[in-house]
Amino acid sequence: AQSVTQPDIHITVSEGASLELRCNYSYGATPYLFWYVQSPGQGLQLLLKYFSGDTLVQGIKGFEAEFKRSQSSFNLRKPSVHWSDAAEYFCAVGARGDTGFQKLVFGTGTRLLVSP
Amino acid sequence: DTGVSQNPRHKITKRGQNVTFRCDPISEHNRLYWYRQTLGQGPEFLTYFQNEAQLEKSRLLSDRFSAERPKGSFSTLEIQRTEQGDSAMYLCASSLVAAGVNQPQHFGDGTRLSIL
Repeated sequence: AQSVTQPDIHITVSEGASLELRCNYSYGATPYLFWYVQSPGQGLQLLLKYFSGDTLVQGIKGFEAEFKRSQSSFNLRKPSVHWSDAAEYFCAVGARGDTGFQKLVFGTGTRLLVSP
Repeated sequence: DTGVSQNPRHKITKRGQNVTFRCDPISEHNRLYWYRQTLGQGPEFLTYFQNEAQLEKSRLLSDRFSAERPKGSFSTLEIQRTEQGDSAMYLCASSLVAAGVNQPQHFGDGTRLSIL
């Protein structure tokens, strides 16, 4: 079965510092990979996605992620964090369901706190 | 693009009552998904529709849960005889499938259900 592991429950980063959130997945085929962000009481906003091709993908709000097949990882990075980046971040793998179509399997999330 | 709309945003009800949530997807999207998110967890897949056809249901979707998408546009999720364990955020997402390629899912802001 597909699974996603986000090993860090909480991360605190100083404003202006760089950020890396870790994500490891388990999936038997070529994965579709996603990062979503969720602010309190809100739904999920797509930051970026990997379907195929270039393993370094750019997203919105200055985020990027790198797919490393050998490490089964899809870590999210940002060179300089802003206070508005404080939120919950979810990594997800696009899994093939019983009828062959995609559903998302999410990790448990990493809460990002930004200190002044 | 008006986004995915969910109503109500919050629902408080007594144990044993029935509740119904509505989701209006992005207008050109042919797929609609329901997820459930409990506190401190990532969203978990419940079911999805391709147009009006319900193509997959998770084992999480007990017989007290029913989802419909009668005209391939909006969808409703009904929970009968609610239990304490049903308290969660219910998220709806939609996507466009074109030429056999799954597009990213766009999420609504969710309906938060609280069972007294």
